[in-house]
This record gives sequence, C-alpha cells and structure tokens, in this order.
Amino acid sequence: QKEVEQDPGPLSVPEGAIVSLNCTYSNSAFQYFMWYRQYSRKGPELLMYTYSSGNKEDGRFTAQVDKSSKYISLFIRDSQPSDSATYLCAMSLSGSARQLTFGSGTQLTVLP
Amino acid sequence: DAEITQSPRHKITETGRQVTLACHQTWNHNNMFWYRQDLGHGLRLIHYSYGVHDTNKGEVSDGYSVSRSNTEDLPLTLESAASSQTSVYFCASSGQSSDTQYFGPGTRLTVL
Repeated sequence: QKEVEQDPGPLSVPEGAIVSLNCTYSNSAFQYFMWYRQYSRKGPELLMYTYSSGNKEDGRFTAQVDKSSKYISLFIRDSQPSDSATYLCAMSLSGSARQLTFGSGTQLTVLP
Repeated sequence: DAEITQSPRHKITETGRQVTLACHQTWNHNNMFWYRQDLGHGLRLIHYSYGVHDTNKGEVSDGYSVSRSNTEDLPLTLESAASSQTSVYFCASSGQSSDTQYFGPGTRLTVL
C-alpha cells in the first residue's frame, strides 16, 4: 500500500463547476500538506500549503485537512479552463521542504 | 530572476549507454532533489543532497548516481541506461527554511 493515495482520474468538469480533489494517507506523523499544480510538459508548482488540520482559502482554492481521517482535499470554485492540469498532493513530517511524499496526481480538464 | 534549469530537455539514447542529466539552480539553495515521474506512480525520489559533497539515496536509486561539487549543480548519471529508465526526470531545490520545493521544467528521456 502506498503511503499517499490519490485518484488519478481523469476528471472532466464544465466551466464554472466546483471541483473536489482528494488524497488519503497512512502515516499519521505527516504534519504539513501541500497541493502542487502541474501543467502539461511543465514542472510542478506549489499551489497551497497547510499545517495540521483545518481549512485554508486562497481565492478560488480551498485546502482542507482532516488529520483524524487522514484525508486532505482541494476545492476549486468557479473552475476555469486555465485550471486544467494535473494536481498532486504532497506531505511532509517537518516544515522544511526536505522530504516530501507525493500522491500520483489527478488529471483535471475543465471544459469551456 | 533566480531559476532552476535542466538540460537537455529531451534525450534519446540506447540501452547500455551512460547518460548525464544536468540540473542548475541560481537560488543558492542547499537542498536539491531528483525525481522521476511515470504514469500511475507520480513523483518518485531518486537521489537528494542537503549540501556540497552530501548525497543520499531515495526510493528508486538503483542504476542512478549523483555528485554535488558546488551549491548550484546536481547532475544525475545513469551508469548504463535501461529501457525501464525511460521517464520524465525533474530536478527540484529548496532552501533551509523553505516550505516548498521549486521544480525545473523536466527532461524527457527515452532509452531504446
């Protein structure tokens, strides 16, 4: 069993839809949780960063962490075609970006 | 602007040949990483370095080596390329107090 599980999709939604992307993990020691966005043929870039349980909002994006269930989510409101990308969750034991464990990524397409 | 670059961007080689992929960052980051990305596996860590002359094996290090002679560069060498090493390779770096890793644009390697 992988330490971090992520539904690979692909996921297609119409423009304006609310998108929910999820990851589950098995190591309860993970404290820091990230979402990276990766456009086709590009490197991943950090989208959201959260510590421990709770919600964090940034514009149309909300990251949610439920440590009791070992479950994290990324919500995208009013999705746009420019949101079409692969979204990877990542987690670490410490705050420094030295050791990250990545999910396999979910491919999202937002249709105009 | 500071950046992280990889070269070449595309490489085709033959089984058994030695191949070196270059990674160069201008952030003066101590931490550097090499990942491979394959469908269904997400990003898997090959090798990493926390400073000059420091190197460590990651999850999938067999058949790969790295050396760190300065802060800016972490070249990845495939000693004897195998078809199973056909993949997209990403280099990343992070600072001592950074909460994220910054990724390069990737190198697409095909081993025939």
